[in-house]
Amino acid sequence: DAKTTQPPSMDCAEGRAANLPCNHSTISGNEYVYWYRQIHSQGPQYIIHGLKNNETNEMASLIITEDRKSSTLILPHATLRDTAVYYCTRGANQAGTALIFGKGTTLSVSS
Amino acid sequence: ETGVTQSPTHLIKTRGQQVTLRCSSQSGHNTVSWYQQALGQGPQFIFQYYREEENGRGNFPPRFSGLQFPNYSSELNVNALELDDSALYLCASSHNTPESPLHFGNGTRLTVT
Repeated sequence: DAKTTQPPSMDCAEGRAANLPCNHSTISGNEYVYWYRQIHSQGPQYIIHGLKNNETNEMASLIITEDRKSSTLILPHATLRDTAVYYCTRGANQAGTALIFGKGTTLSVSS
Repeated sequence: ETGVTQSPTHLIKTRGQQVTLRCSSQSGHNTVSWYQQALGQGPQFIFQYYREEENGRGNFPPRFSGLQFPNYSSELNVNALELDDSALYLCASSHNTPESPLHFGNGTRLTVT
């Protein structure tokens, strides 16, 4: 099964770190983990991706376990504008492959 | 850098009709993927185009078809529309390399009545 597993919803206080978990226990060696978020009525926005090592960019950090069976997206200082549905996906984006999206995690940031 | 643009933003069609949705890729991207997103669900992969050919397809019937043009823009065509085709249709572009992330447009909201 190429899907990932995420909790349906999470809450976070504004200014605190939001840690969003994802399980991808059947991930293949050549598959990357990608994170996207979707704000109502917009297309999914790319956040970050990784293969084995932890990654950080201006939006977030991605922590991947050593066995690559799970990962955590960290938003270090959540704001109200981070309220969105967050999708963890996996894929190799080689010819003919596709990113498989589940239902994602609805993150609600409150003041 | 121009992002992915889709047209139209909204569309209403009647069951049995045909529809064409359009997508312009982000500058420098040569691969286009189309996704269908029903209300409350994650995006579902329809197909992918590279070098003007379909090179991957999800679990969608043949009445869903597409084209990619030399400038890497793309069209999604749906024939014999059904009520269940009502959804947000998303186009995403990328480089055709293993780690290149998809960059999505804001979609076309199709309503079939």
